[in-house]
Amino acid sequence: DTEVTQTPKHLVMGMTNKKSLKCEQHMGHRAMYWYKQKAKKPPELMFVYSYEKLSINESVPSRFSPECPNSSLLNLHLHALQPEDSALYLCASSQDLGTGYNEQFFGPGTRLTVL
Amino acid sequence: KNQVEQSPQSLIILEGKNCTLQCNYTVSPFSNLRWYKQDTGRGPVSLTIMTFSENTKSNGRYTATLDADTKQSSLHITASQLSDSASYICVVRYGGSQGNLIFGKGTKLSVKP
Repeated sequence: DTEVTQTPKHLVMGMTNKKSLKCEQHMGHRAMYWYKQKAKKPPELMFVYSYEKLSINESVPSRFSPECPNSSLLNLHLHALQPEDSALYLCASSQDLGTGYNEQFFGPGTRLTVL
Repeated sequence: KNQVEQSPQSLIILEGKNCTLQCNYTVSPFSNLRWYKQDTGRGPVSLTIMTFSENTKSNGRYTATLDADTKQSSLHITASQLSDSASYICVVRYGGSQGNLIFGKGTKLSVKP
């Protein structure tokens, strides 16, 4: 299995809602990533988990809360979002954070719309 | 400053034609360079990854080249198909401790019948 899966595919939420994005991989990868991508822009790194521990937090607002329950799962909890948070949220995984190719495999993304 | 610049920003070609996309980078230290294809609203899919010692790498109709001296890469697409319509993103992996990916802004390719 060489896939990264993400659910849901689409999400519409109000500014007072609480929702979660889910990401799963079964490639035995020990590094997992959340990216945010606005239209016609490249992905922007949000968080990196390495061996289920938060390794990088790119100064993301606290209304985004990541969670890594185990080595195969990565969640992104959303609360009190703003309309400008509407974007494509991409999950990725790689073998680890080491040197070498360390190819990142991306999921299909969750299209989030905040009303 | 670590940057990846791509050109052209957009490109329209006829089905069956070849095209070449360019990528210049200033990332240092350098680890590797990768080209991704991204369909609208979907996640990026890796086409090639090259380290500094690799000059060229092919994946079907896609051929990437890397000149580590001039810090330039190109992606050549042969005999284009309608399904090649997508954004092509050049990404350089930073060779420092955290190994962050530095993304270019992409080239949007449209293949017309």
